[in-house]
Amino acid sequence: GQQVMQIPQYQHVQEGEDFTTYCNSSTTLSNIQWYKQRPGGHPVFLIQLVKSGEVKKQKRLTFQFGEAKKNSSLHITATQTTDVGTYFCAGPRGGYQKVTFGTGTKLQVIP
Amino acid sequence: NAGVTQTPKFQVLKTGQSMTLQCAQDMNHNSMYWYRQDPGMGLRLIYYSASEGTTDKGEVPNGYNVSRLNKREFSLRLESAAPSQTSVYFCASKPGYEREKLFFGSGTQLSVL
Repeated sequence: GQQVMQIPQYQHVQEGEDFTTYCNSSTTLSNIQWYKQRPGGHPVFLIQLVKSGEVKKQKRLTFQFGEAKKNSSLHITATQTTDVGTYFCAGPRGGYQKVTFGTGTKLQVIP
Repeated sequence: NAGVTQTPKFQVLKTGQSMTLQCAQDMNHNSMYWYRQDPGMGLRLIYYSASEGTTDKGEVPNGYNVSRLNKREFSLRLESAAPSQTSVYFCASKPGYEREKLFFGSGTQLSVL
């Protein structure tokens, strides 16, 4: 089965509300990446976290890597309609070339 | 630069038919990947090629074969398509070193009837 789970699977928020998705791995990851897929599109890289406890920000997006390097989160402050899409975490498992993805969180923003 | 190009964009097959999905990248990347995307399952790795001349199984390789034809091209073949292989297929590539981002193609929507 899938070794990297994301919750929630779906989230509907009112525009302006905050949103958080969580990524949980059964094993330690050397690094974690986040991707965004717009409806009908392909995944696009957002950011990479490498260090234990690392926090990175991109405007309204805050990414965090857990202390044990087994979980991560993406928080969006004051969502906008442009945030609509599916957010995936990804990490190497069984070697740095074998990149596997989480199950994804689909975000819908209601104007 | 075109980046990662996948063909075809759409395909409908009957059960038992075979077909090959094509992927080419023009970024001189060493590593290439095939994923399938199904609702609620995220992106699942089918096969990958860490470098020209090598291929390895991913999470869901059964029913698929791959060929790394050269550094640019990585094809995915369904020998005898099944309805369970109805999915959106994405090809991706990266330079080939640790901790690099993936670049994705626009995907192939495949339906097997």
